[in-house]
Amino acid sequence: QKEVEQNSGPLSVPEGAIASLNCTYSDRGSQSFFWYRQYSGKSPELIMSIYSNGDKEDGRFTAQLNKASQYVSLLIRDSQPSDSATYLCAGTLGGTSYGKLTFGQGTILTVHP
Amino acid sequence: DAGVTQSPTHLIKTRGQQVTLRCSPISGHKSVSWYQQVLGQGPQFIFQYYEKEERGRGNFPDRFSARQFPNYSSELNVNALLLGDSALYLCASSQRTGGYEQYFGPGTRLTVT
Repeated sequence: QKEVEQNSGPLSVPEGAIASLNCTYSDRGSQSFFWYRQYSGKSPELIMSIYSNGDKEDGRFTAQLNKASQYVSLLIRDSQPSDSATYLCAGTLGGTSYGKLTFGQGTILTVHP
Repeated sequence: DAGVTQSPTHLIKTRGQQVTLRCSPISGHKSVSWYQQVLGQGPQFIFQYYEKEERGRGNFPDRFSARQFPNYSSELNVNALLLGDSALYLCASSQRTGGYEQYFGPGTRLTVT
């Protein structure tokens, strides 16, 4: 089992819809989780961080963390074509106190007009 | 404020050669991490440095080495290059070690022929 696993893509949604991206992790000791957006040919850009159970909202983005079920999700409301990118889920897994990020393989999101 | 900077942007090397990649973190950030990203995968952790000391090392061969300077900038060295070392090398900056947010630079695209 991969340490951080993202739902297989690609994911295609119409403009204005809600895009839902999911991620599971294997280590119950994991502490911090992050969502990055990566446009083709560019480096990852941090869009959300979440450290405790529950929801965290920032504009059109909502991150959800459920440590009991070991999953993290990202909701993008009112999706726009400019949201089309690869979304990477990352966590600092238990046993690495220095904060090494372990990434999932990424989910490609396409928002079509 | 300037973000994370990396140089060079692109690099082409021949098998067996050595390469040095450079990174300057965000002002005030004391931790630098290095990641390797091959096409279609999430970044893989190589090293983390904090206050000029190595805090973590990923599963990479000894051909990979790094250091951090008093001004918190960092270098990643790769010796005896292999074709499989072709990848995007990313530097990430954070305020300190631990589960803090990490911000990526634009990356160095290394091609080994």
